[in-house]
Amino acid sequence: KQEVTQIPAALSVPEGENLVLNCSFTDSAIYNLQWFRQDPGKGLTSLLLIQSSQREQTSGRLNASLDKSSGRSTLYIAASQPGDSATYLCAVRPWQAGTALIFGKGTTLSVSS
Amino acid sequence: GAVVSQHPSWVICKSGTSVKIECRSLDFQATTMFWYRQFPKQSLMLMATSNEGSKATYEQGVEKDKFLINHASLTLSTLTVTSAHPEDSSFYICSARQGLGAFFGPGTRLTVL
Repeated sequence: KQEVTQIPAALSVPEGENLVLNCSFTDSAIYNLQWFRQDPGKGLTSLLLIQSSQREQTSGRLNASLDKSSGRSTLYIAASQPGDSATYLCAVRPWQAGTALIFGKGTTLSVSS
Repeated sequence: GAVVSQHPSWVICKSGTSVKIECRSLDFQATTMFWYRQFPKQSLMLMATSNEGSKATYEQGVEKDKFLINHASLTLSTLTVTSAHPEDSSFYICSARQGLGAFFGPGTRLTVL
């Protein structure tokens, strides 16, 4: 059974720091991996999607990498801002057709000004 | 981009009543939608997979008679929480797949008194 783990569970940094969020998964047979942002009491905002054949994706200050063979992904946030404060969720889509995403518990990020 | 809406965004009801939550894909057709539940400070847990024109597939431990799912069209799936109890209070989020990505609704906060 696929399990997704995110470390750390919470992270506090001062504004301007570069930071890395980690995600690991137990079964490398994935179709893709997606990073989401969730603000308190809100739904999910998709940040980056990496196909299983890709190694990384970039969007603005965000860069996500994928090492499928080792079951790891990282989300790199450059020059963090207070507006980046949110919970970041990692989710994998198993290879089987029609399957739902499997989520980690998330990393709650707090960026202080 | 693909947009998924949910209605209502929040609902408060008395114990024993039933509540219906709608999930709509606004600008695309979704043959498969997914329903998740999220408890405070927890990750999203898949409840069921909703397939247009057929019965939903429920995850282990989810009561199909309590959480009724209807996917009557390619753009609408509904989740009805029957005879709701306080322990059903949670954040319910739907997702629809389009192409490679999964798109999520904004969620519905259910509070059962």
